[in-house]
Amino acid sequence: QVQLKESGPGLVQPSQTLSLTCTVSGLSLTSNSVSWIRQPPGKGLEWMGVIWSNGGTDYNSAIKSRLSISRDTSKSQVFLKMNSLQTEDTAMYFCARGEYGYNYGNYFDYWGQGVMVTVSS
Amino acid sequence: DIQMTQSPASLSASLGETVTIECRASEDIYSNLAWYQQKPGNSPQLLIYDANSLADGVPSRFSGSGSGTQYSLKINSLQSEDVASYFCQQYNNYPWTFGGGTKLELK
Repeated sequence: QVQLKESGPGLVQPSQTLSLTCTVSGLSLTSNSVSWIRQPPGKGLEWMGVIWSNGGTDYNSAIKSRLSISRDTSKSQVFLKMNSLQTEDTAMYFCARGEYGYNYGNYFDYWGQGVMVTVSS
Repeated sequence: DIQMTQSPASLSASLGETVTIECRASEDIYSNLAWYQQKPGNSPQLLIYDANSLADGVPSRFSGSGSGTQYSLKINSLQSEDVASYFCQQYNNYPWTFGGGTKLELK
């Protein structure tokens, strides 16, 4: 069955770079898109960006200058790198598989369990 | 960016009651709308996509409707396991955006 699992450091210092990995099973990254979505404690969800099945990427313009999403298809892994972290980046970070809607936008039918990242000195 | 406004922000209902949650988009999203359920400590789970299509394995007491800028999620015959937060999401335009959420509790 389809599974996604996030991993990475739980604590990052302000101004540093966050690196997260999403390891998938039961699906091929060359046939599926994967997005990163985050959720600050007690708050709503923010879509961060997507890596498409062809390896192309799209990002939320609000954080585009700080964000990079890449993948290693041989390892079934998707990576997130975000620099210049601040306390407001403290959140649960999820990866999720995208399914296509009417106009090829994505909704998310499989989610990882999430990884909590705290930005603090 | 398309703003998604959910109402109410919180809701208290009794077992067996019918509950409706609304989601309004700041512009037409052409039914490119999904609904998710999130229980405390868990990741969101897809309930509805394309405004009114039920996701696999989701009980038929959940239904979605709407068009244009106005959408709703209805839960018939509320069960205890439905206590959760609910989020809408538009995927018509970048960036894909979520509503602020509705927290559903039992009365």
